[in-house]
Amino acid sequence: EVQLVESGGGLVQPGGSLRLSCAASGFIFSYYRMNWVRQAPGKGLEWVSDISGSSSTIYYADSVKGRFTTSRDNAKNSLYLQMNSLRDEDTAVYYCARDGGGFSYDYWGQGTLVTVSS
Amino acid sequence: SYELTQPPSVSVSPGQTASITCSGDKLGHKYVCWYQQKPGQSPVLVIYYNNKRPSGIPERFSGSNSGNTATLTISGTQAMDEADYYCQAWDSSTALFGGGTKLTVL
Repeated sequence: EVQLVESGGGLVQPGGSLRLSCAASGFIFSYYRMNWVRQAPGKGLEWVSDISGSSSTIYYADSVKGRFTTSRDNAKNSLYLQMNSLRDEDTAVYYCARDGGGFSYDYWGQGTLVTVSS
Repeated sequence: SYELTQPPSVSVSPGQTASITCSGDKLGHKYVCWYQQKPGQSPVLVIYYNNKRPSGIPERFSGSNSGNTATLTISGTQAMDEADYYCQAWDSSTALFGGGTKLTVL
């Protein structure tokens, strides 16, 4: 059974940093592109980042470019999101999602809440 | 920048057909997928590659994509289909979501 479990969310002050993790199981992790998608409270879905299976290509939304860094450790079946210079507008539930190969996300984690507030 | 536009809300009576649209410039040239999200839950993929259903998704869910508009159709809508629906496509190595449509079954 495919499982994605995010962790690392919490309360952080503006300008602060946080590192999210996503533990994957039930599939060959290195075969799949992985993504981060976020959802601000009461709002819609917003794509954050995409990373290839080998980490050779990484893409970011303009809203986080230069502040967030996506990485993965295939030996640990884990995906990471390093978030720096956090802003109020980064407050959201952050989901990791597997790209199933159909230009779509076939599995999502349960999400982890990041709150940026003083 | 590329945008996907969805109606904020759609209402349908039980047993009837619901259609949710997603508009974008030459969207028919791209692959579109659709997600269902119920309150407090993670999104669930219901349509990919414009019109393919993942395993476990009921046949009443179907999709199409042509010109500037993609459409998610739910035939014989059930109360359990009440949820937010999001379309998604890729443009220039960027994933884009529509703003979401709240489907009300009443």
